[in-house]
Amino acid sequence: SQQGEEDPQALSIQEGENATMNCSYKTSINNLQWYRQNSGRGLVHLILIRSNEREKHSGRLRVTLDTSKKSSSLLITASRAADTASYFCATDDSNYQLIWGAGTKLIIKP
Amino acid sequence: DTGVSQNPRHKITKRGQNVTFRCDPISEHNRLYWYRQTLGQGPEFLTYFQNEAQLEKSRLLSDRFSAERPKGSFSTLEIQRTEQGDSAMYLCASSGTASGNQPQHFGDGTRLSIL
Repeated sequence: SQQGEEDPQALSIQEGENATMNCSYKTSINNLQWYRQNSGRGLVHLILIRSNEREKHSGRLRVTLDTSKKSSSLLITASRAADTASYFCATDDSNYQLIWGAGTKLIIKP
Repeated sequence: DTGVSQNPRHKITKRGQNVTFRCDPISEHNRLYWYRQTLGQGPEFLTYFQNEAQLEKSRLLSDRFSAERPKGSFSTLEIQRTEQGDSAMYLCASSGTASGNQPQHFGDGTRLSIL
């Protein structure tokens, strides 16, 4: 079953613009993770945010977490062509298992 | 850090045949995961090892699927009597020893096509 739901399913923006993706989940979590996947490749971990954190930054990435609304957002600033990929959120339902959404497909137009 | 390695990258086989995939995790990682991913979907959990012990197996996984991690290092995933619905990308991931969920490091997967 998929707990996380990303929104939008697809996003197309011009290079240099900011991209925002959202993730909603259903049950209590210990942490939430965001991953990127380029076409035909494995997933790459971007950021892990714990349930007691509200915001986290890594380079051009900013993640927020609102546990009262059971939602998270991923912001990519000053987008580049290389950011074209699918982005997934994953939440933990136990000590070891991650539950994944269907992802947001991001296209950066040059 | 050589990363997680999966072999083969692609496998094409006829329905009814058996297939086996291999995953070599990052050497110091004791946790190893197998996922299945179909087009346009997120990864679907299949099974999880901590060292050589298989601690969890998805209820969605039929008995045609079996996974091993005999010495707590590499792992194999075997699918017996393959069916059309088994066509997917099979992903392996590993993570470290700290408690709780840690970032998972993925291989590039094995794409299985059933003719």
